[in-house]
Amino acid sequence: DAMVIQNPRYQVTQFGKPVTLSCSQTLNHNVMYWYQQKSSQAPKLLFHYYDKDFNNEADTPDNFQSRRPNTSFCFLDIRSPGLGDAAMYLCATSREREKGSQYFGPGTRLTVL
Amino acid sequence: GQNIDQPTEMTATEGAIVQINCTYQTSGFNGLFWYQQHAGEAPTFLSYNVLDGLEEKGRFSSFLSRSKGYSYLLLKELQMKDSASYLCAVMDSNYQLIWGAGTKLIIKP
Repeated sequence: DAMVIQNPRYQVTQFGKPVTLSCSQTLNHNVMYWYQQKSSQAPKLLFHYYDKDFNNEADTPDNFQSRRPNTSFCFLDIRSPGLGDAAMYLCATSREREKGSQYFGPGTRLTVL
Repeated sequence: GQNIDQPTEMTATEGAIVQINCTYQTSGFNGLFWYQQHAGEAPTFLSYNVLDGLEEKGRFSSFLSRSKGYSYLLLKELQMKDSASYLCAVMDSNYQLIWGAGTKLIIKP
């Protein structure tokens, strides 16, 4: 089945220790998104890629970086995680920017100790 | 600024009907989406409205009025598994989704 896969599902890191979250998709969608979602809050868009065209949201902290080496894979790097970065990180894809529905992976829940 | 408003929490009884409202103010409009999100899981797509009116899909229906900046999600014959958060999201003129904080729906037996 075509899907969006995120690894790991749960990640524990220490304050200030870099961490990388990964996302892969078998949907062959052009657009990939990274969201941060904290409890009972709306998902907050961090970045999106339209093919290889990278789009950084204006209020995304410099501590967050992203890479998309090919159509199928996308990575989120958190260079120096702080306690405030503990959240669920959601990867999503859509066929085109203009065409609606986004398909989400199961998310990675990040804990910062 | 851009804003999506929906109630924080609602409670309903198994077998009943519930309507979750969403109002929005965005820079442009390219469609409104409803997503379901169970606790600790990712959102899953429920419905999409871009024209005024009602879209029905099984037990779920979604309504849109663009002139009023208003939508609702109607859930019929509620089941315990419908307990979840329901997120309203609007695609703006830049084709970005503006998300509401979600409505937590609690179903009681």
